[in-house]
Amino acid sequence: GDSVTQMEGPVTLSEEAFLTINCTYTATGYPSLFWYVQYPGEGLQLLLKATKADDKGSNKGFEATYRKETTSFHLEKGSVQVSDSAVYFCALRTQKTSYDKVIFGPGTSLSVIP
Amino acid sequence: SAVISQKPSRDICQRGTSLTIQCQVDSQVTMMFWYRQQPGQSLTLIATANQGSEATYESGFVIDKFPISRPNLTFSTLTVSNMSPEDSSIYLCSVESGVSEAFFGQGTRLTVV
Repeated sequence: GDSVTQMEGPVTLSEEAFLTINCTYTATGYPSLFWYVQYPGEGLQLLLKATKADDKGSNKGFEATYRKETTSFHLEKGSVQVSDSAVYFCALRTQKTSYDKVIFGPGTSLSVIP
Repeated sequence: SAVISQKPSRDICQRGTSLTIQCQVDSQVTMMFWYRQQPGQSLTLIATANQGSEATYESGFVIDKFPISRPNLTFSTLTVSNMSPEDSSIYLCSVESGVSEAFFGQGTRLTVV
């Protein structure tokens, strides 16, 4: 079945370091891909998305490119801040019968230290 | 975009009791989704609620344990019945808006003692 795999955390970085969180997926057809972020004690927020191959989603300095050939959607940021400390979920949306189902990866916890 | 309000935001409940979680959306939506996030885990879809019909449950979830109501296009409830400590989780309501995005409420943090 459809699935999402993320690099295991937790990830600890110093402020201004470069961030990469790997995400690969398995899906039939052409899913839409997402990164969601969950700050401590809060719900999920959509960080960025890409709906077709080679699309690049970007928001708040984060970027991810939909790579169909490698079935990947890695999240990157050039310079992380303490405020980026959160759990990041890679997700895909695929068609299931009469509605679209969102499948989440296991999440990667990021801690940024000053 | 859609703004989703969930109530309560958190609760501590005795085992064997039931809790009903409310989800209110600021616009009319066809589908509403309920997820469970167990401690330190990812999100698992419990069921999909369509207005005017019975909810569709995912494998491993049953209506007797998680009854859902969907009385109109902006509101839904999820009840966690006969709770045990294993039900301690964050429960999230979600809707889809636009072409592909899913929006989430802030979640209900449930602790069963």
